[in-house]
Parts: sequence; C-alpha cells; structure tokens
Amino acid sequence: DVVLTQTPPTLSATIGQSVSISCRSSQSLLHSNGNTYLHWLLQRPGQSPQLLIYSVSRLESGVPNRFSGSGSGTDFTLKISGVEAEDLGVYYCVQGTHAWTFGGGTKLELK
Amino acid sequence: QVQLKESGPGLVQPSQTLSLTCTVSGFSLTSYNVHWVRQPPGKGLEWMGRMRYNGDTSYNSALKSRLSISRDTSKNQVFLKMNSLQTDDTGTYYCTDGYFDYWGQGVMVTVSS
Repeated sequence: DVVLTQTPPTLSATIGQSVSISCRSSQSLLHSNGNTYLHWLLQRPGQSPQLLIYSVSRLESGVPNRFSGSGSGTDFTLKISGVEAEDLGVYYCVQGTHAWTFGGGTKLELK
Repeated sequence: QVQLKESGPGLVQPSQTLSLTCTVSGFSLTSYNVHWVRQPPGKGLEWMGRMRYNGDTSYNSALKSRLSISRDTSKNQVFLKMNSLQTDDTGTYYCTDGYFDYWGQGVMVTVSS
C-alpha cells in the first residue's frame, strides 16, 4: 500500500508568515492516464475536513489564493503565503492513484 | 445543494457489527462516487472504502476482511457494515463525495461493553 509521509507533524507560525508542508509518497503518484491524484484537505477543530487543493495544484472553488500546491512524482508541497487565523487546524494530503490513503497530518498552530 | 449525512448507532458492543447509512442529496449515486473515512479520537483520517458510481467497490486492505459497502440508489443511500468491532474501531465515521469536496458532519461511534 502507498504510504504518505507528511512533514513537519506540527508547524508553529505567526499571522502573516508563509509556511510549507511536505507530503512524500512511497510510490510515484503519476497515474497511467497521465493524471496525479494528490489532494490537500484542511480540518479545522471540531469540523469535517474541507478540500483545498486537488490534482496537485488546482485550487478548489472558494479557497483563498494564498494556498498553493506543487510537486510531482513522489514529492508534493502545500504552501500558505501569509497565514491567517482561520488557517489553523490539521492539514492532510490524500492520494488516489493507488487506491486511497491519507497522510498522517500536519497541525498548524499559532506561535 | 449537495449534502451528505451519516446515521447509525452511537454505541456498539465489542465483537458486534457496525451498520452506518450515508444519505445523500443534490447528486446521483449513479453519477458520483462516495467514500467512507474514519477518524479515531485525536488521530488522523483513515480511508475505509469507496462505492463507485457504477456499483463497484474498493476497500482499505487492512479492513477488507471485515468491511462491506453497498447502496440503494432509489433511496440515495450508501451503507457501511463492519463486523468484529473492537475498541480501536471507536471514532468518527464520515462519508464524503468522490472528490472529497463535500463531507457529512460525521457520526461518533463508540465500541464498548
């Protein structure tokens, strides 16, 4: 099974700071159809997860453009350009190229 | 608008079977996939399985022997059944659409005698 490893597990940031979260896969996530099924979700405290980025770098409708995704193959990154208070919570990457698996999560907290 | 809602018992005894229902609105189960995802208290998300639009299913290999997902398209419902429950199956169970775009509010399931 594909394993997604997220780093760091915890991230402390100040408001306005830019941060990045890494998601590394144990196998390439490039599907034979040419697509890469790697998405990013945010789960705020006490809430259901919400989709931020799909297919590596495509911003979900309604998500602020301070969020961006990049990467290919086995290495992927979520960047937040200027953290805001509403961004606090746990971020997950999830892959669907080989069945589906979630990363372990990265908790973003205020410094 | 698209909505998903999980329902089922909040308490299940060890070794018993969990039965959950995901009722969807705003889209057709014959056009979109539905996933089940669970989350132990204070821990991360775990993908459990998926019902495809065409009726095919796929499962987490670690749960496959205990898990079954089915549907009733006439009632817009997807069902999860998992047997031989243990205490580490305690957690919040979510259904979500195939793109992880829409989620239910989740149902908390406690496995305890």
